[in-house]
Amino acid sequence: QLQESGPGLVKPSETLSLTCNVSGGSISITNYYWGWVRQPPGKGLEWIGSIYYRGTTHFNPSLKSRVAISVDTSENRFSLKLRSVTAADTAVYYCGRHRRVAAEREFDYWGQGTLVTVSS
Amino acid sequence: SYELTQPPSVSVSPGQTARITCSGDTLPNQYSYWYQQKPGQAPKLVIYKDIERPSGIPERFSASASGTTVTLTISGVRAEDEADYHCQSADSTGTYLVFGGGTRLTVL
Repeated sequence: QLQESGPGLVKPSETLSLTCNVSGGSISITNYYWGWVRQPPGKGLEWIGSIYYRGTTHFNPSLKSRVAISVDTSENRFSLKLRSVTAADTAVYYCGRHRRVAAEREFDYWGQGTLVTVSS
Repeated sequence: SYELTQPPSVSVSPGQTARITCSGDTLPNQYSYWYQQKPGQAPKLVIYKDIERPSGIPERFSASASGTTVTLTISGVRAEDEADYHCQSADSTGTYLVFGGGTRLTVL
């Protein structure tokens, strides 16, 4: 299971910080990455970025300059930081696990999602 | 940037067949995936590796791929199939993941 946690309200220009706790299995598994996906209200899904348990990261080019993802294998969790947020960053943020072996890239487990609103 | 294009909406009557398309330039070279998302819920994988169905997904869900377009087909649509459907793939290097804009399936 995956569970997101973090503030539901962030002020413009500040940093959005979320954590995804992984339970029922180890985050340190081969062939899987741990990722963040967001969904603005009434809109589609947008991949933010992903991390391997050893620390390798990949980010959506459109967000790369503002995003950091880290992993804590001792706590079995990974985290997202998104800097300089605006109202356009208001969305439900999901954490998930996706395969990364050969050409396989599907998300097979998702958290329930957490709504983050950017407003003063 | 790489994009996947889906129709915003599809409507069918119960028992009919729904077809939802997803188009993108690298779909011939990268696998496609489909997710079902009901209101207030996280997405759920219904198709992976273009045509494979995860365990527990009804046989009425199938998919096909042809060139730069992949199609999710739901045969004998039921009211419970009403949801948003999202396709997903990757760029030509397999590094960057991308989702389509989503298609709302309405069961009339």
